[in-house]
Amino acid sequence: DQQVKQNSPSLSVQEGRISILNCDYTNSMFDYFLWYKKYPAEGPTFLISISSIKDKNEDGRFTVFLNKSAKHLSLHIVPSQPGDSAVYFCAASAERGSNFGNEKLTFGTGTRLTIIP
Amino acid sequence: EAQVTQNPRYLITVTGKKLTVTCSQNMNHEYMSWYRQDPGLGLRQIYYSMNVEVTDKGDVPEGYKVSRKEKRNFPLILESPSPNQTSLYFCASSTGVLSNQPQHFGDGTRLSIL
Repeated sequence: DQQVKQNSPSLSVQEGRISILNCDYTNSMFDYFLWYKKYPAEGPTFLISISSIKDKNEDGRFTVFLNKSAKHLSLHIVPSQPGDSAVYFCAASAERGSNFGNEKLTFGTGTRLTIIP
Repeated sequence: EAQVTQNPRYLITVTGKKLTVTCSQNMNHEYMSWYRQDPGLGLRQIYYSMNVEVTDKGDVPEGYKVSRKEKRNFPLILESPSPNQTSLYFCASSTGVLSNQPQHFGDGTRLSIL
């Protein structure tokens, strides 16, 4: 049962345009979300996160939007640059009321973003 | 330099031959975790540890063991490896004890079990 889903395995975007990566989740207990970026032969690196008490978080060219009612989040990259070409994973955790009983982090399957020069 | 170091980076071995993948972090992080990455399945958590001597199962713990005797080290042990454990493995660490803290990942260990 995939609780965090990234339905687009790949995405190609022209350099300078906006890249939008999507992520859906099914577990209503998830209340914190993170995006990671992964280059080949390297481990994932943290990109940006958002708590469920917010609906938007921005960091430079990267913005994450959270729609709790739709159980959907998206990562916007604008403008897209060639160095953004990577695999992007969204991840979710459920900390509310966990009482240190639920510290698992659940990842999606990833979306490979290719920026076309 | 702050880093998570995994060894070996690559290993080809045979079914049933016990192996250990080491993981060490130099950031004094409390939380450490192991993941495996498989095509179409993304990253799945195997085990995690919130502190020394505190470990717990992730989503796919079967066939694996871990230990956390020291804060900096979190080895992954495959007592009797099988071909379905062929995968790319990542160790990660973070500050605090909760999984929502951004994690620092190692560069991965590619295991092939024949």
